Amino acid sequence: EIVLTQSPATLSLSPGEGASLSCRATQSVGTSFLGWYQQKPGQAPRLLIYGTSNRATGTPDRFSGSGSGTDFTLTITRLEPEDFAVYYCQQYGPSPPLTFGGGTKVEI
Amino acid sequence: EAQVVESGGGLVQPGGSLRLSCVASGFSSSGYLMNWVRQAPGKGLEWVATIKQNESAKYYVESVKGRFTIFRDNPKKSVYLEMKSLRAEDTAVYFCTRVSILGMDVWGQGTTVTVSS
Repeated sequence: EIVLTQSPATLSLSPGEGASLSCRATQSVGTSFLGWYQQKPGQAPRLLIYGTSNRATGTPDRFSGSGSGTDFTLTITRLEPEDFAVYYCQQYGPSPPLTFGGGTKVEI
Repeated sequence: EAQVVESGGGLVQPGGSLRLSCVASGFSSSGYLMNWVRQAPGKGLEWVATIKQNESAKYYVESVKGRFTIFRDNPKKSVYLEMKSLRAEDTAVYFCTRVSILGMDVWGQGTTVTVSS
């Protein structure tokens, strides 16, 4: 089973600043099968990035994803107030289990 | 617009059973893998189960194997999660999701399961 570790657990930033969120896997993950989700309090998660670097419909271009192998990054340039949330990476390789990272909370 | 709506959550005693339902609209659910994902209070996301389009394969997280069963009724555009021998640690919000090549691209709002005496 592939285990995903996200760091840091919490990121304290101000609007307008940039953020870099890390996701490391215990085994190589195909770039087609790494995604990022955003979750705000009381809401369901929503897909933000798929296939490592592709923005889902409605994802602003200040969000970008990168990486390969076991190291992946979600970058947010110029944080907006609505970006303060919890972010999860997930690998959804050809066969389950479909594991999530533990999440990174981006807070003001 | 593609949507899924969950129902069936509630309060149940340890050892009890519950069936969750998920109804899809705005897309042909029979063409997709479908998932259940849960989130315990204050915790992260945990994948629970996946079912293939024609029920040819089902997958479960280790902690629910033998207790939970995922199944679907494609004509009714529905997916279900039958949960038995429930434990306190099964307390969570349960989300139904669609799985595509994009990942889990459609999520419901979730249904809350509380296991407590």
